[in-house]
Amino acid sequence: GAGVSQSPSNKVTEKGKDVELRCDPISGHTALYWYRQSLGQGLEFLIYFQGNSAPDKSGLPSDRFSAERTGGSVSTLTIQRTQQEDSAVYLCASSLVGGKDTQYFGPGTRLTVL
Amino acid sequence: AQSVTQPDIHITVSEGASLELRCNYSYGATPYLFWYVQSPGQGLQLLLKYFSGDTLVQGIKGFEAEFKRSQSSFNLRKPSVHWSDAAEYFCAVGPSNYQLIWGAGTKLIIKP
Repeated sequence: GAGVSQSPSNKVTEKGKDVELRCDPISGHTALYWYRQSLGQGLEFLIYFQGNSAPDKSGLPSDRFSAERTGGSVSTLTIQRTQQEDSAVYLCASSLVGGKDTQYFGPGTRLTVL
Repeated sequence: AQSVTQPDIHITVSEGASLELRCNYSYGATPYLFWYVQSPGQGLQLLLKYFSGDTLVQGIKGFEAEFKRSQSSFNLRKPSVHWSDAAEYFCAVGPSNYQLIWGAGTKLIIKP
């Protein structure tokens, strides 16, 4: 079946603009995760959804970052007033129910803030 | 401080040769341990994971890893690499499957 998809694959924006990144998880997966991967670094956890609720958003770096999930499916990560340090690859993953389940990752969105 | 160290940024091995990628961690208790692979143009894929029990863990694509508590290590091994194994490999540890501390990755290059 289809894997996790993310759009856009690349986004170039100017400093100060808002951006929205989209994640479509695997159908039926209740858990959804957002991560950020900066050049030469491992992943940085941002937020975890179980259904439409976010029991853990401790990784969001500032109040410029927000995320929502609707219908227990699609999720949108929004970054307001983008800064150059926001440039990174944003990865989304989903898993069947969370807990110890295997996460399946999307291909990522590469965000470049000029 | 909690950390994960992958001491080798790049490793080059010949096709058919054996492989060992090192991962050392600093963590208060025995964490969950993971190895992921990231191939060019593809998403991260879980190779294997350790939660408890047998310290030798078998994964996909012929990989295995051994958890050594005394050495705080979780090294990844493969007896014979294939050109398709060229990728970046990440070790990660943490108290759950997503609250993870990630290593910086090891890029594996395969010589024909």
